[in-house]
Amino acid sequence: GAVVSQHPSRVICKSGTSVKIECRSLDFQATTMFWYRQFPKQSLMLMATSNEGSKATYEQGVEKDKFLINHASLTLSTLTVTSAHPEDSSFYICSARVGNSPLHFGNGTRLTVT
Amino acid sequence: EDKVVQSPLSLVVHEGDTVTLNCSYEVTNFRSLLWYKQEKKAPTFLFMLTSSGIEKKSGRLSSILDKKELFSILNITATQTGDSAIYLCAVEDRGQGGSEKLVFGKGTKLTVNP
Repeated sequence: GAVVSQHPSRVICKSGTSVKIECRSLDFQATTMFWYRQFPKQSLMLMATSNEGSKATYEQGVEKDKFLINHASLTLSTLTVTSAHPEDSSFYICSARVGNSPLHFGNGTRLTVT
Repeated sequence: EDKVVQSPLSLVVHEGDTVTLNCSYEVTNFRSLLWYKQEKKAPTFLFMLTSSGIEKKSGRLSSILDKKELFSILNITATQTGDSAIYLCAVEDRGQGGSEKLVFGKGTKLTVNP
């Protein structure tokens, strides 16, 4: 079945630095990938929709200059958290779909900003 | 605004019990309703429902959708400790201009005690 790989699984960084998270579709091409964020005891909140070859579509309240999304190829989307602050500490998950199939999720990245 | 409400938020049962998890929704342009199971990391797909009244079944789990009343239930019979997880309901909104998105409920945390 379709597999989505996300890397790294866990990252700790200092406040003010930038962190890049990669999301790859391993055995299929994904024209669209989705980035979610999940705070403790909260549900998954859609941050943005990443479209191959074009700009990402951000949800209301998500700063596009802070969360940079690049979808340079049909198998790779990246999320860069720029100038990270402790309040950005969260669980970030990417997902992708093939055609009309359900979303497949990566294993997520636990970001801790100190 | 799209809304997905799950109940109960938390449930503790004993092995062998049967549980019913609820999900009600309001979306502008319904495409599908999905159930996911989330343990420590990313959600894993359980069911995708698009038509009313047709039960989907997988082992001890089953789910059904009522598009008139805008809700779905997930049943788990003969629960086991391995069923302990957060169960997420998500509804897909077709959006406009192909901008579909998946809106998640807050989840039901199920704990099955031996």
